[in-house]
Order: sequence, then structure tokens, then C-alpha cells
Amino acid sequence: EAGVAQSPRYKIIEKRQSVAFWCNPISGHATLYWYQQILGQGPKLLIQFQNNGVVDDSQLPKDRFSAERLKGVDSTLKIQPAKLEDSAVYLCASRSPGRSNYGYTFGSGTRLTVV
Amino acid sequence: ILNVEQSPQSLHVQEGDSTNFTCSFPSSNFYALHWYRWETAKSPEALFVMTLNGDEKKKGRISATLNTKEGYSYLYIKGSQPEDSATYLCALTGTASKLTFGTGTRLQVTL
Repeated sequence: EAGVAQSPRYKIIEKRQSVAFWCNPISGHATLYWYQQILGQGPKLLIQFQNNGVVDDSQLPKDRFSAERLKGVDSTLKIQPAKLEDSAVYLCASRSPGRSNYGYTFGSGTRLTVV
Repeated sequence: ILNVEQSPQSLHVQEGDSTNFTCSFPSSNFYALHWYRWETAKSPEALFVMTLNGDEKKKGRISATLNTKEGYSYLYIKGSQPEDSATYLCALTGTASKLTFGTGTRLQVTL
């Protein structure tokens, strides 16, 4: 099966600019996650979708971050305006329904540098 | 919020050395523990998922053990090779389906 696709692979922007990341999960995977991994830290969950509904966005900085998953398939994560501390790798993952502990598949991430 | 800790933070070994890392977690509300291998610019690759106390899993030269009563898991690599160089992440799932990650152990294997 095809993996989780993410784009772009790399992005460099200036602070206060806006940026958007795109994720295409594995076909049929109802659950989609966005993680933020800052250098030296473990990946942190930003938002979890079940189909096109939000399950958990408790750690999403909602004043500047937004995410959507229209039609329950692709998802976009946006940052507006970006801050220096948003420099990180943004990972998207999806999971098939009914596989309670298994089936997490990750994309290769988008590396964001804010200067 | 689950607190998952990993040690050491980084490790530098020579080819042929065997090594191990530790993942510590709160023993309450345990559901499953995951080990991932993450090479730079690639997707994190699932190594093991363990759910039962005393679980031992093996994949080639890599193996893992789980102690849910005391809240730790060990990952072992036998005869390290340069291609084993990566960040090794452990993650917990509690009753929710999200993964809570540790900070990772960065392994560098040199010739």
C-alpha cells in the first residue's frame, strides 16, 4: 500500500509569515494525526482527526495554528503568523480503523525553519 | 498527560558493539508500548508494539522487553552496524489512541 504523503519536504520562511503543510493519509485510514517534533524533544501531538471531526486538539496553539480535514481524507496544517519557536519537523500519521494498538503509519515529515 | 522518558539521550558506539536503551513510563493506565526507528529525512519505522508484562520481541539483531509493573522497556541492538544509526523513539498509548512519545535516543554507529 502507498504510504502517508506529505509536502513540502522542507520550508524556510521568515517570522510572521504564513505557511501550510499538506498530508494525504493511507486510503481508508479514518484517523489522522499531526505531530510537532522540535529538535531535542519527542514528537508532540498537535491534533487528531477521526474522519473529518476533531478528536483532540488540546495542545494545538489555536491563536496561530489551524488544521482541517475536509471530506475526511487529506489534511492541511497552517501556521499564521509563524514564530521562531515553530521551527520543527511536522509529522503526519494515519491509522486504520479497528486496529487499536497497531497500524500507525507516518509520513516523512515537513521540516520547517523560521528565520 | 503521560510522561515518557528515554535514556540515554545520545549514544556513540563502534561497529560490532552491542547496546541498549531504556524507556520509562508511568505503570498506571498502561495500554501499549511502541518502539520506532527514525532515520533523518525518512518516516519513523515501527519496530515493536508490546502490550503484556514480560513481553519480549525480536526482529533480526534488535530485541525489546517490557515490564509494565515497574514501568520500563529496554531495546537491545546486538552487533551494531552503521545502518543502525538513527533516533530510537518509544511511545505509549493509553486509553486514547494517540501516541505519547519520549524524547528519543540518538544512536551513532561508527566503523
